[in-house]
Amino acid sequence: SQKIEQNSEALNIQEGKTATLTCNYTNYSPAYLQWYRQDPGRGPVFLLLIRENEKEKRKERLKVTFDTTLKQSLFHITASQPADSATYLCALDITGHNNNDMRFGAGTRLTVKP
Amino acid sequence: GAVVSQHPSWVICKSGTSVKIECRSLDFQATTMFWYRQFPKQSLMLMATSNEGSKATYEQGVEKDKFLINHASLTLSTLTVTSAHPEDSSFYICSATGQGTLNQPQHFGDGTRLSIL
Repeated sequence: SQKIEQNSEALNIQEGKTATLTCNYTNYSPAYLQWYRQDPGRGPVFLLLIRENEKEKRKERLKVTFDTTLKQSLFHITASQPADSATYLCALDITGHNNNDMRFGAGTRLTVKP
Repeated sequence: GAVVSQHPSWVICKSGTSVKIECRSLDFQATTMFWYRQFPKQSLMLMATSNEGSKATYEQGVEKDKFLINHASLTLSTLTVTSAHPEDSSFYICSATGQGTLNQPQHFGDGTRLSIL
């Protein structure tokens, strides 16, 4: 069956450390993958997109990797801050045809403690 | 840019009432709009995809007669929950993508919390 799994429901880290979140998928061949941030009671906000031919993408303190062999994406937040506390969702292009047909993982709730 | 406004943000109503939720793209033309349902601590579950001027495509298990979707313009889509019952209580979120290049991000509204008594 097809699955999108984010490694843990919750992750707690200390301020200043690097947070690493995992997104694994099975029986999909996505052309790209996206990461979103969702705060309680709000809609998700787009953070980064990485394509199948890209190994790594960076944006300020964020870094995303995409390993199509392992069928995994890692999302890193370096020098984490309490304001980074939120739920982070990965989303896959499920058709592999770049047509914006996305499915979301359940998310990982990150808490950064001061 | 790329702001999506969803209204209302929350609604409480009696069982049997029909509820309409609006999703507007404020500063771009939304070629495609998506409607999701989200339960606490769970993933966004795609309900349907709508393209302007055409009928919505519903996901398996979503009743099209229960959840009516209209996408009459490039800036507005509506979801009507007909004859709502307590089991329809949930957080409903819309998103939109604009015209242009493929693999665009989705721009989300802030959701509507629906409570049916």
